[in-house]
Amino acid sequence: SQKIEQNSEALNIQEGKTATLTCNYTNYSPAYLQWYRQDPGRGPVFLLLIRENEKEKRKERLKVTFDTTLKQSLFHITASQPADSATYLCALAGGSYIPTFGRGTSLIVHP
Amino acid sequence: GAGVSQSPSNKVTEKGKDVELRCDPISGHTALYWYRQSLGQGLEFLIYFQGNSAPDKSGLPSDRFSAERTGGSVSTLTIQRTQQEDSAVYLCASSLVVLAEGETQYFGPGTRLLVL
Repeated sequence: SQKIEQNSEALNIQEGKTATLTCNYTNYSPAYLQWYRQDPGRGPVFLLLIRENEKEKRKERLKVTFDTTLKQSLFHITASQPADSATYLCALAGGSYIPTFGRGTSLIVHP
Repeated sequence: GAGVSQSPSNKVTEKGKDVELRCDPISGHTALYWYRQSLGQGLEFLIYFQGNSAPDKSGLPSDRFSAERTGGSVSTLTIQRTQQEDSAVYLCASSLVVLAEGETQYFGPGTRLLVL
């Protein structure tokens, strides 16, 4: 069955460092992959989308890579700030219109 | 411009009661989704509406769950004879067009349902 894995353990990093979050998937051929941010008590907020034929996407301090051979996406936040502390979700969508979400990884940036 | 809104924000009910959750999507968005998020779990797809097409109900966990979308706008998710395992955050999202084209979903703040 299709499976999306995100590290369930919280990632703790120091302010100013680069945070790297991982999204692995199996039994899936996604057409694109999205990353969302979710704060406690709020709905997810879209951050970036990367398509299967793209290797890398950037937006300000964010960078996403997509390796369809490794079946993995990496999400990087450079020069991290305490305000970046949140849960980050990856979501994959194939030929259907229904994205499958991972459980998310909590990021904690310490000042 | 207004985002996706949901009401109520919190709902506490007794086991066996029916509940109705409401979603107001972004004006002009043709696609509307309902998800459920339990503690420590990923978002679980429930149902999808696209324009005037028949909804995709493939994610509904049981026949106690149903949803309607009136006039292509507001949607109501109804849970009949609620059970304790129905306790979760129910999230609604809308998008301008079908996600298969790579559209972004915009989520509401969710309704936190607690079944006692």
